This record gives sequence, structure tokens and C-alpha cells, in this order.
Amino acid sequence: ILNVEQSPQSLHVQEGDSTNFTCSFPSSNFYALHWYRWETAKSPEALFVMTLNGDEKKKGRISATLNTKEGYSYLYIKGSQPEDSATYLCAFMGGTSYGKLTFGQGTILTVHP
Amino acid sequence: DVKVTQSSRYLVKRTGEKVFLECVQDMDHENMFWYRQDPGLGLRLIYFSYDVKMKEKGDIPEGYSVSREKKERFSLILESASTNQTSMYLCASSPGPRADEQYFGPGTRLTVT
Repeated sequence: ILNVEQSPQSLHVQEGDSTNFTCSFPSSNFYALHWYRWETAKSPEALFVMTLNGDEKKKGRISATLNTKEGYSYLYIKGSQPEDSATYLCAFMGGTSYGKLTFGQGTILTVHP
Repeated sequence: DVKVTQSSRYLVKRTGEKVFLECVQDMDHENMFWYRQDPGLGLRLIYFSYDVKMKEKGDIPEGYSVSREKKERFSLILESASTNQTSMYLCASSPGPRADEQYFGPGTRLTVT
């Protein structure tokens, strides 16, 4: 089983703070790295699908970077808002996996007003 | 909008019962997945299917089987439910090519007593 690690496990920030979390994954046999946001009582939703080393993606106040050579990705949230409170999941797809994702354990973000 | 639906949000079953969890997607997706989510462990893949009647084991297939007789429907079967199968079960689908994001259903919280 592949090792996909996320840190920190949980994070509490104040509204307006910027924050970031890390996903580490195997640096060999890379195909894609996904980020999902999972809000309480909802379904996980995709934020980004990243495939190229050096990729940077942005959606509103959220952005992500990818380093496939060293096996890590960062997710950044600028000016956190209470509605950003969620579990953020990263998932690794290897080159021979036929669409199979291996998820990290997630980072639980709580943004306090 | 892609819609993935699951037959129940909450389910309570007794040890030894046969349990069926149904998942239906309405966007003609090739791939479908079953995950379970347990605290601190992230999403773990049970089985997936990349075509009708095709199935592949994920990371934790023991105690489960699946059926995909029609493209839009993917069923997870617990042949003889046990208490360690108490969990949140999530179904997902993706269009086809491997890097595509996955679309998740709302989840079924199964309790086995």
C-alpha cells in the first residue's frame, strides 16, 4: 500500500489568516495528484487535479503547488473564512493504477470568526 | 451537474446479515469506486470498476464483493456483516481517463450491531 501523508492532521486559524498544508507522496511512478475539500454533511469535491511537475493551480483564494521530483504538494488558503472550514484531502495516482487514488488521512481545518 | 446517489444515508444492520449498498451515477462515467472512511485513516479504496462487469480489488477488499451489471450502477455487498465493517461508505465515479477528478456520493453511514 502506497504511503500518502498529510500534515498537519488538524489546524485552527482565525478568520483572515492565511494557511497552508502539506501532502507527501511517492516520488516514483507519478501520474497525478488530486486535492479534495470535504465539508461536514456534504460529499468530497475536487479542488485540483495536478499532473505536471511545477504545476501551480488556483481557484479563488485557494492555490496548490506540485513537486513530483521530491514528492510533495502544498495547498494554500489566503485570508481564511469560516466557510473554508472542512477536511482537505490529497490523493495520489500512480502510473499503472487505472484511475485508482490513494488518499492521505486529511487535514481538518477550522476557521474561527 | 454530475450526480452520484447512494441508496441510504444511514443503515443499521445486525452481525451476519447480508448488506447491499447501491450507487448510481447519471453521467455515463466509465469508472466507479467504493471507499470506506474511518477516523484518522482517510478514504480507503475497497473495490473499483472501469467497465461494466469489470472489477478490481482496492486496498481493503476482504469481506466485501461488488457487482456492476449496468454502467450507471455499482453495488457493494457485505456477504456477512461484522462489527468491524461499521463505517462511512462513499461511492465515487470518474469519466474515464485516469487523471480525471472523482465525483462522490453523499455517503452511507453503516452501523453493524
